[in-house]
Amino acid sequence: EVQLVESGGGLVQPGGSLRLSCTASGFTFSSYWMTWVRLAPGKGMERVANMNQDGSEKNYVDSVKGRFTISRDNAKNSLYLQMNSLRVEDTAVYHCARVAYQGALDIWGQGTMVTVSS
Amino acid sequence: EIVLTQSPDTLSLSPGERVTLSCRASQAVVSTSLAWYQHKPGQAPRLLIYGASTRATGIPGRFSGSGSGTDFTLTISRLEPEDFAVYYCHQYGSSPWTFGQGTKVEIK
Repeated sequence: EVQLVESGGGLVQPGGSLRLSCTASGFTFSSYWMTWVRLAPGKGMERVANMNQDGSEKNYVDSVKGRFTISRDNAKNSLYLQMNSLRVEDTAVYHCARVAYQGALDIWGQGTMVTVSS
Repeated sequence: EIVLTQSPDTLSLSPGERVTLSCRASQAVVSTSLAWYQHKPGQAPRLLIYGASTRATGIPGRFSGSGSGTDFTLTISRLEPEDFAVYYCHQYGSSPWTFGQGTKVEIK
């Protein structure tokens, strides 16, 4: 079964850090761009970061540049999001997704909740 | 950045009804690079349509997409009980990728 499973979310104080993980199964992980998308309470979806197959190309939304780092380990079929200097406005459910069809996201995980609060 | 505006915010409908959801872009979407997703609380979002009008694998024929340029539509020909959810449009033709704010389809 093609599947993505996220982990690593939780409650953290402003200024803190978290590392999210996304484990892929059922497909050749190393062949795909991957992305992190977040859905904040009362807001729409936002693409946070994406990365190409070998990690040589990365893109970030402006609001997380310099604070978040996307990475991957193709040997472990895993995608990561290191989140530093977290802000209240980063509170959201974070989903990883597979990029297909030149940009449409065809496989998603259920998401992991990140709450930034004092 | 391309801003996507979905309308309406909420639709209250009964099973069996026809649904038309709108997604309007602030500027032309390149190469009809527009997708639609269905999202239910606590679940993984599901790709319905890509390339504005191509159904993704396994998506029932009651879902259809149309449009080009700045105006796009998702139609559900006959609502099934499992179709009550939030629907998002997404443009991936220009960087940064952007999403609409979502339309909630709820049971009347």
